[in-house]
Amino acid sequence: AQRVTQPEKLLSVFKGAPVELKCNYSYSGSPELFWYVQYSRQRLQLLLRHISRESIKGFTADLNKGETSFHLKKPFAQEEDSAMYYCALKGSGNTGKLIFGQGTTLQVKP
Amino acid sequence: KAGVTQTPRYLIKTRGQQVTLSCSPISGHRSVSWYQQTPGQGLQFLFEYFSETQRNKGNFPGRFSGRQFSNSRSEMNVSTLELGDSALYLCASSLDTGYSYTFGSGTRLTVV
Repeated sequence: AQRVTQPEKLLSVFKGAPVELKCNYSYSGSPELFWYVQYSRQRLQLLLRHISRESIKGFTADLNKGETSFHLKKPFAQEEDSAMYYCALKGSGNTGKLIFGQGTTLQVKP
Repeated sequence: KAGVTQTPRYLIKTRGQQVTLSCSPISGHRSVSWYQQTPGQGLQFLFEYFSETQRNKGNFPGRFSGRQFSNSRSEMNVSTLELGDSALYLCASSLDTGYSYTFGSGTRLTVV
């Protein structure tokens, strides 16, 4: 089965601390993974996509096929990073279907 | 460039009624997907359309249906509404499957 698991519902850190939002997936073949972010009262936005290997707003994520993980990291959290973060997996075949994890709320305290 | 536009933003309906939600994708985007977002179930895929054809469908009852028009605008319809259909319905558009999806702000449906 294709599945995405985000084990933490809430992650609370202090400003300047490192952040790691965990994401594990279940998929046969080569997965295509994304991180989406939803700031308060704003629409869901693409943060990054593993195939582009970009760093957006200081966030990076590396695909680890051995551990079936795609954790999101940032070395120094900022208060404006507080938001809901969703890890998503593209369904197999010719489809744009995204399978989302349950999401992790990141709270960055001053 | 205008983003993905969903109308209406809010809806209140009574159990048993039906509802139609609309989505206008970004100009040039031919793929439109719909998702249901609830606190308990999170984001769940409803269906996907490409060039007026349904390409994929999620695990929702037949009361949920959709369509796409020649200008790529899409509508989804829910008939015989139930209380559990209360949710935020999100639409997302893309050029095609190899590209990233851009989401709309959603339609908040409340069934009373």
